[in-house]
Amino acid sequence: GNSVTQMEGPVTLSEEAFLTINCTYTATGYPSLFWYVQYPGEGLQLLLKATKADDKGSNKGFEATYRKETTSFHLEKGSVQVSDSAVYFCALSVSQGGSEKLVFGKGTKLTVNP
Amino acid sequence: DADVTQTPRNRITKTGKRIMLECSQTKGHDRMYWYRQDPGLGLQLIYYSFDVKDINKGEISDGYSVSRQAQAKFSLSLESAIPNQTALYFCATSDPGLAGDTQYFGPGTRLTVL
Repeated sequence: GNSVTQMEGPVTLSEEAFLTINCTYTATGYPSLFWYVQYPGEGLQLLLKATKADDKGSNKGFEATYRKETTSFHLEKGSVQVSDSAVYFCALSVSQGGSEKLVFGKGTKLTVNP
Repeated sequence: DADVTQTPRNRITKTGKRIMLECSQTKGHDRMYWYRQDPGLGLQLIYYSFDVKDINKGEISDGYSVSRQAQAKFSLSLESAIPNQTALYFCATSDPGLAGDTQYFGPGTRLTVL
């Protein structure tokens, strides 16, 4: 089946620290991979995505590279800010029988302190 | 104005009551989804609809029903609410492109069943 495993939180960092949130996946087909972010009191919004092996998604200083050989899509940011405090979800989408559905990881809560 | 709206944003109800959560979208997307979010469990798919005449069960459909009244409207009902349905509920829409299926989320409805 299809599943996503991401590192458990919570993660607490100081401003300007380096961030890595690990994500690995299991998929029966060729998935597209996503990172969604949920700011406090809000719904999820797409942060970045990659649709094929070796693609790099990037947005707002965050990056993730689709690694087929290690079935991973780790999220990184070189220098976090207080405003990055949120819950981050890794997800995959696989086309099955003409339909596509998202499968989410459990989420990692990030807190950035000034 | 928000592209995906949910009403109500918060609801407290009692065990056994019938509850309807509503979702509207102005994105013109055919696909709509209902998710449930519980702490530490990520998002779980309840129901999804790929067009007005297409309704499908997700991972956790027991105790829930849906209605797709129009392309823009997708309602979730709890016929007889129970306390373990206390959760945050999200509606989402998507318009699959050639690669990947980005979903756009509403702000969520926080439901408490006493």
